[in-house]
Amino acid sequence: EAQVTQNPRYLITVTGKKLTVTCSQNMNHEYMSWYRQDPGLGLRQIYYSMNVEVTDKGDVPEGYKVSRKEKRNFPLILESPSPNQTSLYFCASISGSYEQYFGPGTRLTVT
Amino acid sequence: KQEVTQIPAALSVPEGENLVLNCSFTDSAIYNLQWFRQDPGKGLTSLLLIQSSQREQTSGRLNASLDKSSGRSTLYIAASQPGDSATYLCAVDPWTYKYIFGTGTRLKVLA
Repeated sequence: EAQVTQNPRYLITVTGKKLTVTCSQNMNHEYMSWYRQDPGLGLRQIYYSMNVEVTDKGDVPEGYKVSRKEKRNFPLILESPSPNQTSLYFCASISGSYEQYFGPGTRLTVT
Repeated sequence: KQEVTQIPAALSVPEGENLVLNCSFTDSAIYNLQWFRQDPGKGLTSLLLIQSSQREQTSGRLNASLDKSSGRSTLYIAASQPGDSATYLCAVDPWTYKYIFGTGTRLKVLA
């Protein structure tokens, strides 16, 4: 089954404790992206990657890092999480016909 | 800077009614526009993708149109059903992979 998986689905952590949210797709897509979704602000792009070792900033990259060492994986790293990064995070991959496939989301709470 | 607006933010209709959801964007230089559905606590599901050279796309009871010159897209849902209740999001691709999402229309179809 074609899918995008994210782990963990739910995470509660404390300010400053480094964390990684994993994202994996099994569709051999070159393009992947991370979004955060906040009430009243909609989905905003954090980072995107056009292929292995090729990444670029989206609209809200501050406080986040990404890496793309393999085509299927695109982890999101929060080196020093802060309460304003409490949000719902989505990973997505895009097919050659430009259809976006989204993961189920990761709900992060930073206290 | 590209901005995407969806009005109304929420809509309630009786079952069986035909309805139109609106999406407006400020810059007509887009590569494509996509409509998504999001159920509570879930990820986004792609409904329809319209390339910039196309005027409309259809899938079952759904029809999406695109008018780049006026910066508008509409999603038409025929014979609405309670199972159509969800939040509907549109997103534009401005040729740079920096997708811009609207904040969505929350639809409730009453049985």
